[in-house]
Amino acid sequence: EVQLVESGGGLVQPGRSLRLSCAASGFTFDDYAMHWVRQAPGKGLEWVSGISWNSGRIDYADSVKGRFTISRDNATNSLYLQMNTLRPEDTALYYCTKDFLPVGIGWFDTWGQGALVTVSS
Amino acid sequence: EIVLTQSPGTLSLSPGERATLSCRASQSVSSSSLAWYQQKPGQAPRLLIYGVSIRATGIPDRFSGRGSGTDFTLTISRLEPEDFAVYYCQQYGSSPLPFGGGTKVESK
Repeated sequence: EVQLVESGGGLVQPGRSLRLSCAASGFTFDDYAMHWVRQAPGKGLEWVSGISWNSGRIDYADSVKGRFTISRDNATNSLYLQMNTLRPEDTALYYCTKDFLPVGIGWFDTWGQGALVTVSS
Repeated sequence: EIVLTQSPGTLSLSPGERATLSCRASQSVSSSSLAWYQQKPGQAPRLLIYGVSIRATGIPDRFSGRGSGTDFTLTISRLEPEDFAVYYCQQYGSSPLPFGGGTKVESK
């Protein structure tokens, strides 16, 4: 069974950092690109960042560029999102998603259950 | 950067009725690179359709997608109780990968 499990969410003060992790199982992790998608409370979906199968292509939404860093470890089937200089507007449920393609510009065929990040003083 | 606009914001229908959801892009979407997702309350989104009209694995054939260029449609031919949810379109093929704002299909 294809599974994505996020961890690392929590309450953090504005300006601080947090690192999300996503553990993947049930598929050949290094064959596919991966992404982070977030959803603010009561709002729609927002793509945050994507990384290709070999980390050769990395993309960010303008809203997080320069503050967030996506990375992956194919040896441990893990995806990460390092979030620095967090703002209240970063408060959201962060989903780890699997791309259908290896390059990182495809559609999302598998989603985790999400990790909640709350940025508040 | 492509902006996707979904309409209507909310669709109030009864089980058995036909639902037609619209997704309009601010510029032409290349190579049929449009997907649809369904999200139920408290759940993660689920892929319904990709490539404008290709149903994902396990998606019933009452869901269909069509369109080209800037105008796309998701149709649910006969609403089942489990179809009441929020639906999002998404453009892919180039970064960024925007979503539309969503259409809520609610029970009348």
